[in-house]
Amino acid sequence: GDSVTQMEGPVTLSEEAFLTINCTYTATGYPSLFWYVQYPGEGLQLLLKATKADDKGSNKGFEATYRKETTSFHLEKGSVQVSDSAVYFCALSDRSQAGTALIFGKGTTLSVSS
Amino acid sequence: EPEVTQTPSHQVTQMGQEVILRCVPISNHLYFYWYRQILGQKVEFLVSFYNNEISEKSEIFDDQFSVERPDGSNFTLKIRSTKLEDSAMYFCASKWQADNNSPLHFGNGTRLTVT
Repeated sequence: GDSVTQMEGPVTLSEEAFLTINCTYTATGYPSLFWYVQYPGEGLQLLLKATKADDKGSNKGFEATYRKETTSFHLEKGSVQVSDSAVYFCALSDRSQAGTALIFGKGTTLSVSS
Repeated sequence: EPEVTQTPSHQVTQMGQEVILRCVPISNHLYFYWYRQILGQKVEFLVSFYNNEISEKSEIFDDQFSVERPDGSNFTLKIRSTKLEDSAMYFCASKWQADNNSPLHFGNGTRLTVT
């Protein structure tokens, strides 16, 4: 079945460091790919998405490119801030029907210190 | 910006008791979901709901679980006889369109602790 694999955390960085969180997926069809973020005490929020191969999603300085050849959707940011500390979830959605369920990775905790 | 709201934020119950987790989805959304996250594990899909019926459910969503939209605004998850392993964070989500490009909007979750 479909699945998402994320790098294990926690990831600990200093402010202004470069961030990469790896995500790879397995899907039978042509999924849409998402990154969600969960700040402490809050729900999951959509960070960015890409719906087809070679699409790049971007938001708040974060980017991820849909790579079909490597089945990857790695999250990157050039210069992290303390406020980026959160849990990041990679997810895919594989069917265009009502009730399409997102499949999530385990989540990667990012901790940024000043 | 409209939000999905969940109550309570934390629920403690004894094993064997029934619990009802409540959610108010965004008002013009048509598709509703419950997910759960056991501590340290993946966010897992439980069930989706559209047009007053379940459209999809996972293996986790067995006979002890049920969902209901009783009054056109609330969307509830009932666990009939809770087990220790039901302890988890439960997230409600909703979206407006059916297609898989339409993002889900999540609530802040209800932490269920079964003792």
